[in-house]
Formats: sequence, structure tokens, C-alpha cells
Amino acid sequence: ELKVEQNPLFLSMQEGKNYTIYCNYSTTSDRLYWYRQDPGKSLESLFVLLSNGAVKQEGRLMASLDTKARLSTLHITAAVHDLSATYFCAVDKYGGSQGNLIFGKGTKLSVKP
Amino acid sequence: DAGVIQSPRHEVTEMGQEVTLRCKPISGHDYLFWYRQTMMRGLELLIYFNNNVPIDDSGMPEDRFSAKMPNASFSTLKIQPSEPRDSAVYFCASTPGGSRNEQFFGPGTRLTVL
Repeated sequence: ELKVEQNPLFLSMQEGKNYTIYCNYSTTSDRLYWYRQDPGKSLESLFVLLSNGAVKQEGRLMASLDTKARLSTLHITAAVHDLSATYFCAVDKYGGSQGNLIFGKGTKLSVKP
Repeated sequence: DAGVIQSPRHEVTEMGQEVTLRCKPISGHDYLFWYRQTMMRGLELLIYFNNNVPIDDSGMPEDRFSAKMPNASFSTLKIQPSEPRDSAVYFCASTPGGSRNEQFFGPGTRLTVL
């Protein structure tokens, strides 16, 4: 059974600090997805990582993928309050692009002034 | 583009009643997904369609749940009869497929079964 594990599950940060969220998965897969969810809202796609070594950056967020280690990281640089949300990583159940995504439990990020 | 549209946004019903959730995917997207999100179980894929055909329904919890996609622009998820443990937020998502296969989520339907 495919497992997608995120850590930490809860993260309280101060504004201006850096931190990394980790996503480990148990099957071979050449792609990984990161989503953001604000409280009471839907999921918004952040990054699609399509190959080993892929790195994507958007503002203060940078995501990377190591398919050999089955690990993706989401790095937060100089956090601001607007980044407070829950972040999910997801992997295709069958390791490809079938669309059957298995989501991690999410990392709830709270950025405090 | 209007994005994925779901209705209703909120539904409160009593145990035993039939509930129908509706979804309109983004035009041109060949794949449609139904998810359920709860605090206890997180985000779970229930079923997905490709070109209106159900591909994988292994996530559908029980026979009380059924989903249809009569055409490319409309899908329903029906629960009959509903039970309190069905209370959750139900999301619909669509994707055009291809190498990225990025899914775009609708706003969700918050279902409460009393």
C-alpha cells in the first residue's frame, strides 16, 4: 500500500524564519504534487515536480524532488503571515500519471509575527 | 475560465435521506475526480472518470455511494441513504491529463448529516 508521509504535521514559525517541510513516499514515482489549502477553502495547486532533481520556486516557496530517495521538500524562506495554510503533497498511486493521487495528511503552517 | 463548479456548497440533511452532489469540470478536461475530506481520514479519492467512464472506484466506501458522469460537463455523487459518518467536505477536481496531470479542485460541498 502506498504511503505518503509528511512531517511535521504542525509547524509554528515566526515571520522572517526559514523552514522545510518533508514529504516521503513509499512507491516509485517520477512526479509529485504540492497543494495549498486555506482554512475552509479548496486546494490550490502550487507545484508539479515531474522528474528527479526537479526544483520549482514561487515567491518564498521552493519545492524539490529526489525520486531515488522518494523524498520531496518544500522550503519556506523568510516566512510571512500570508503563508499560513495547510500544505499537502501527493503522489500518483501507480507511480505514473494515472491521476489516482494519494495525499499526505498535510502540514498545518502557522506564521506568527 | 470559471474553474470547477460544485453545487450545493453546503448541504444539511437528516440520516436516511438521499443526497446528490453535483460537479461541472473545466471545459476540455478529460478526467474528473471525487474526493472526500475529513479530519480523521484526511483527503481520500473516491472515484475518478476518464472521458466519462469510471476508471477506479476502489475508494468508494460502500454501496450507498454511487457516481455518474452522463456527459463531459456534468457529474454527480449520490449517497443513499445518508448516515452521520458521511459528514465531510466533498471535492470535485478535473485535469486535462497529459504529462503534468495537475488537478484543479472545485470549492467543495460541505455535507452535514444529522
